[in-house]
Amino acid sequence: AQSVTQLGSHVSVSEGALVLLRCNYSSSVPPYLFWYVQYPNQGLQLLLKYTSAATLVKGINGFEAEFKKSETSFHLTKPSAHMSDAAEYFCAVSETSGNTPLVFGKGTRLSVIA
Amino acid sequence: GAVVSQHPSRVICKSGTSVKIECRSLDFQATTMFWYRQFPKQSLMLMATSNEGSKATYEQGVEKDKFLINHASLTLSTLTVTSAHPEDSSFYICSASEPGLNYGYTFGSGTRLTVV
Repeated sequence: AQSVTQLGSHVSVSEGALVLLRCNYSSSVPPYLFWYVQYPNQGLQLLLKYTSAATLVKGINGFEAEFKKSETSFHLTKPSAHMSDAAEYFCAVSETSGNTPLVFGKGTRLSVIA
Repeated sequence: GAVVSQHPSRVICKSGTSVKIECRSLDFQATTMFWYRQFPKQSLMLMATSNEGSKATYEQGVEKDKFLINHASLTLSTLTVTSAHPEDSSFYICSASEPGLNYGYTFGSGTRLTVV
């Protein structure tokens, strides 16, 4: 069975500071990994995804994540936080190309302080 | 890119009534759709997986007779909450797997259900 652990339910950073949201996964097969962002009362927007190509994945809005198999991690980073980045972030894993459901972590709420 | 339209975005209904939530894939054929439920400040919980033309597969603990899922066409899946009660109040989100080699999932914008 697959699972995702997001370390830290709440992360607070200053505007302009580095954003680091942590995600560790467990999977018996090579995983597909995703990061999504959710704003209040909205659906999920894909930030980026890893599908066994390049280990450093660049996404939208300046976010990127690095797949590290040895550490079973897929941490999300952004060099400089903006106020508009304040939202809930979910890491998710799937074992196939879309026919099986995503398994989500519990989410990390990112606050950005002016 | 692939778009999934989910309606309604908000609905308030009385206890005992039924509510239907629709998810449509606008520019692609969604063979498989997933339905999730999200409680406040929590993650998404998978309720069921629906495949076009066949019965949905429900997760353990999800009442099939309360949460009726229909996936009659490649572009439409519906979730009907029957005989709704206040404890069914939640945020419901659908997701469709993207076709081809895109390895992606597209999400609807969600439906906030409030049962009074």
